[in-house]
Amino acid sequence: GQQVMQIPQYQHVQEGEDFTTYCNSSTTLSNIQWYKQRPGGHPVFLIQLVKSGEVKKQKRLTFQFGEAKKNSSLHITATQTTDVGTYFCAGRGNTDKLIFGTGTRLQVFP
Amino acid sequence: KAGVTQTPRYLIKTRGQQVTLSCSPISGHRSVSWYQQTPGQGLQFLFEYFSETQRNKGNFPGRFSGRQFSNSRSEMNVSTLELGDSALYLCASSFGRGIGTGELFFGEGSRLTVL
Repeated sequence: GQQVMQIPQYQHVQEGEDFTTYCNSSTTLSNIQWYKQRPGGHPVFLIQLVKSGEVKKQKRLTFQFGEAKKNSSLHITATQTTDVGTYFCAGRGNTDKLIFGTGTRLQVFP
Repeated sequence: KAGVTQTPRYLIKTRGQQVTLSCSPISGHRSVSWYQQTPGQGLQFLFEYFSETQRNKGNFPGRFSGRQFSNSRSEMNVSTLELGDSALYLCASSFGRGIGTGELFFGEGSRLTVL
């Protein structure tokens, strides 16, 4: 079945450093979404990418959808302590199910 | 606008019992999805309901079932509970479904502990 993997599983950074998480799907995706889950909280939608090669920015966050629509990345520039949490990608493939990636837990040290 | 409401928030059950979890979506949302979240397995898709019909189902045993009512509220049931069913069960609502689905709005979740 469709699988969505993310790397790395954990990332510890010093405040001000950059951070990137990568998302890879076993199948071509119709679109991909990104969510952030703060410790003890629930996932909150960040963005949706639809087009091949699409790049979207939200302040310090840059999201990219691969040309083959099988991978995606989230890059955070100059991390802050408020960026702490787990970042999930979620892709919808030919099964029409929204499958979440394994998540990347980000810890930011001040 | 009220968010997604899940009840109960916490519950403790013993092996062999059954449990019913409830989810009230955002007003106007017709699609409800359920996910199981555990530390080791991340967010696992359980099922998706739209207009009272199950549209998609994940790879969970038949002990896991759900339904959606005409007012879009949804319930999921787990029978014959096992220790491995201990998890956070998240409900998410959206206006559309399938490829037309926009963002999912998640509830706070129901944390189930099976002893």
